[in-house]
Amino acid sequence: EIVLTQSPATLSLSPGKRATLSCKASQSIAGFLAWYQQKPGQAPRLLIYDASNRATGIPARFSGNGSGTDFTLTISSLEPEDFAVYYCQQRYNWPPDFTFGPGTKVDIK
Amino acid sequence: EVQLVESGGALVQAGGSLRLSCAGSEFTSSDYSLNWVRQAPGKGLEWVSYISSSSATMYYADSVKGRFTISRDNAKNSLFLQMNSLRAEDTAVYYCVRDMIHQTGAFDVWGQGTMVTVSS
Repeated sequence: EIVLTQSPATLSLSPGKRATLSCKASQSIAGFLAWYQQKPGQAPRLLIYDASNRATGIPARFSGNGSGTDFTLTISSLEPEDFAVYYCQQRYNWPPDFTFGPGTKVDIK
Repeated sequence: EVQLVESGGALVQAGGSLRLSCAGSEFTSSDYSLNWVRQAPGKGLEWVSYISSSSATMYYADSVKGRFTISRDNAKNSLFLQMNSLRAEDTAVYYCVRDMIHQTGAFDVWGQGTMVTVSS
């Protein structure tokens, strides 16, 4: 099983600041990594797929990069609605054994 | 608006069974593969099961293999999850999730979730 590790567990920042979230895979997953945002009481929302492609309707302040085992999600300037939990997820293996990271909570400082 | 709506969640005793349903709208179900993903209370996300667009292939997480069965009815834009031999650790919100077209495992549409509680 491919294990994803996210850091930090919690990121406390003020609106307008830049947020950088990390996701590391236990083995190479090429670029098959997605990022999701989840707010309390809501379903997750796809932000980024295949490491760097923004999903439909996602603002340009969200960007992703990386390949192999190391990936980052950057929020260039935090808006009030961006405070949430962010999960990374890999889809490298077939047959599927899709796994998620434990999440990074971005909260208001 | 593309939408997935789950139903069927309930409180059930350990060892019991439950069938979840998911109704899709505003997209052609037969064009997409679908999944179930769950989230235990206060915990992270866990992929549970996958079914291809034509129902030709199904896959399961090891934690549910042999106990859960995924199926679909494209004529009714519906997805199902039959859950047998339920355990306390199956307690979670269960999400019906659509794969992006041609991007299996990139989950672009999520339902609102249905809660399954297994009492021991």
